[in-house]
Amino acid sequence: EAGVVQSPRYKIIEKKQPVAFWCNPISGHNTLYWYLQNLGQGPELLIRYENEEAVDDSQLPKDRFSAERLKGVDSTLKIQPAELGDSAVYLCASALSTDTQYFGPGTRLTVL
Amino acid sequence: SQQGEEDPQALSIQEGENATMNCSYKTSINNLQWYRQNSGRGLVHLILIRSNEREKHSGRLRVTLDTSKKSSSLLITASRAADTASYFCATAAAGGADGLTFGKGTHLIIQP
Repeated sequence: EAGVVQSPRYKIIEKKQPVAFWCNPISGHNTLYWYLQNLGQGPELLIRYENEEAVDDSQLPKDRFSAERLKGVDSTLKIQPAELGDSAVYLCASALSTDTQYFGPGTRLTVL
Repeated sequence: SQQGEEDPQALSIQEGENATMNCSYKTSINNLQWYRQNSGRGLVHLILIRSNEREKHSGRLRVTLDTSKKSSSLLITASRAADTASYFCATAAAGGADGLTFGKGTHLIIQP
């Protein structure tokens, strides 16, 4: 069974530029999560989807971050414009229920 | 914000010894999970323990949960060099279907 796929794995951009991350969850997983992980910290939830509906986006900085999950499968997370403090690893996870989450390898973003 | 606090922050032991990591949390939970993260990689689910369980085993892993103290421990027996990684506890809030709340992690180094 294929795991959660994320791309790109690494991204380097200059501040004020836009950036987008893509996630393909495990087939059949209706729940999808985006997390942000700063260096030396645990992941922090940004947004949770149940199928195509964002059911918890309270931690998403909506002034510059946006996300979508069209057709309830793949998802994209966008930052526009990026700031220096956005440098981090962006993790996507999927689950069948609220129990075990399966994580992708993450996208490491560096904002210069 | 992060709910869990792992203790210790870092642990270095000799191969073959047992490693114990602790986690404390603040609010009522549905379940508590432990994840492993190798450097530069995504998180791998290790074990889940529900709030009505006190102890769980999986191979060389043993997890305990004390809901009265809001704490959990992860024991890795007969450690191997490949166990070198960061270990995170994550809690799923009671009564909700939110994403997981992670601690800051324990960085475990197994000396060969």
